[in-house]
Amino acid sequence: RKEVEQDPGPFNVPEGATVAFNCTYSNSASQSFFWYRQDCRKEPKLLMSVYSSGNEDGRFTAQLNRASQYISLLIRDSKLSDSATYLCVVNMGSGGFKTIFGAGTRLFVKA
Amino acid sequence: NAGVTQTPKFRVLKTGQSMTLLCAQDMNHEYMYWYRQDPGMGLRLIHYSVGEGTTAKGEVPDGYNVSRLKKQNFLLGLESAAPSQTSVYFCASRVAGAQETQYFGPGTRLLVL
Repeated sequence: RKEVEQDPGPFNVPEGATVAFNCTYSNSASQSFFWYRQDCRKEPKLLMSVYSSGNEDGRFTAQLNRASQYISLLIRDSKLSDSATYLCVVNMGSGGFKTIFGAGTRLFVKA
Repeated sequence: NAGVTQTPKFRVLKTGQSMTLLCAQDMNHEYMYWYRQDPGMGLRLIHYSVGEGTTAKGEVPDGYNVSRLKKQNFLLGLESAAPSQTSVYFCASRVAGAQETQYFGPGTRLLVL
């Protein structure tokens, strides 16, 4: 079983739609959680951290469920510019030095 | 403040040739990482370093060596390149601490013929 698993998609949605991605992790000792965004042929960039209480950044909402070991990302009012691959990321290990990336979920937003 | 830079951006090698990829960061980060990314595979950790002079193996270390003689630089070496090492290589760095996030370089595209 992979340490971090995501549905690869692709998700094809119209502009203005709401779309949700889920991610599961296997190590219950995982310490911190993030969503990254990667555009085609570019490096991954941090989208947002994920906190236990849930957090929101504009149209983006992230949730963490430690009991079930999953993380979610909700995108409201999708824009064409949201088209990208979204990576679920988990820090684990002593001091959180070990970072595990999910394989990513591909999103296409169409006009 | 350049962040994380990688040299070269693109390289073509013949099987059996060697090369070194350079990663440099100017953020005084303790941790540095080398990943490879292949289509449909996601990022796979090759080697990492938690401080100057220390390195450790990641998920796919075979065929690669690394060195971190200076805190700001992390070198990835391919002693004898193979076509299976054709990939995009990303370097990343971050501050020590469980809640910290990684910052990536722009990547090096390597083609081994």
